[in-house]
Amino acid sequence: EVQLLESGGGLVQPGGSLRLSCAASGFTLGSYAMTWVRQTPGKGLEWVSSINAGGGSAYYADSVRGRFTVSRDNSKNTLYLQMNNLRADDTALFYCAKPINGWSPFDCWGQGTLVTVSS
Amino acid sequence: EIVMTQSPVTLSVSPGERVTLSCRASQSVTNNLGWYQQKPDQPPRLLIYDASTRATGIPARFSGSGSGTEFTLTISSLQSEDFAVYYCQQYKNWPRTFGQGTKVEI
Repeated sequence: EVQLLESGGGLVQPGGSLRLSCAASGFTLGSYAMTWVRQTPGKGLEWVSSINAGGGSAYYADSVRGRFTVSRDNSKNTLYLQMNNLRADDTALFYCAKPINGWSPFDCWGQGTLVTVSS
Repeated sequence: EIVMTQSPVTLSVSPGERVTLSCRASQSVTNNLGWYQQKPDQPPRLLIYDASTRATGIPARFSGSGSGTEFTLTISSLQSEDFAVYYCQQYKNWPRTFGQGTKVEI
């Protein structure tokens, strides 16, 4: 069964850092581009970042560029999101998501990990 | 950035009714458009990709149409398990963008 499991969320003060992980199982992570999407409680979905299968190309939303870094370790079947200089408006549930193929929409999502930025 | 606008924001319907949800893109996304369903406390589930192709395991009552800037998700006969929020998403350009969602409620 294809599964994604996020971890690493928590409560952090403004200006702090967190590193999210997404462990993949049931498929070979290295065969797929991967994406992080976040959702503010009670609100809609916001694309955050995507990385190609090999890890050589990454894309970011303007709201996180320069503060967040996506990476992957295909040997460990794990995707990461390093988040620095966190702000209150980064508070959200962060999902990792797998596409059908290429850069297509996402046919598998994790359950999400909650990031709360507050003093 | 391509802005995705969904309408209506909320749709009140009864089981068995035919439901039509709309999604408009601020510029052409050709057919690079997907639809998701999200229920409370669950991640989104992909329903439709490439504007009109049902994802694996999605019932035939869900169908998508459109191209360019205007898209439609149709549920032919609404079932009780279909009450949820529906989002469209374009994957033509970076950044990827989602619509704000349409809530289908009783």
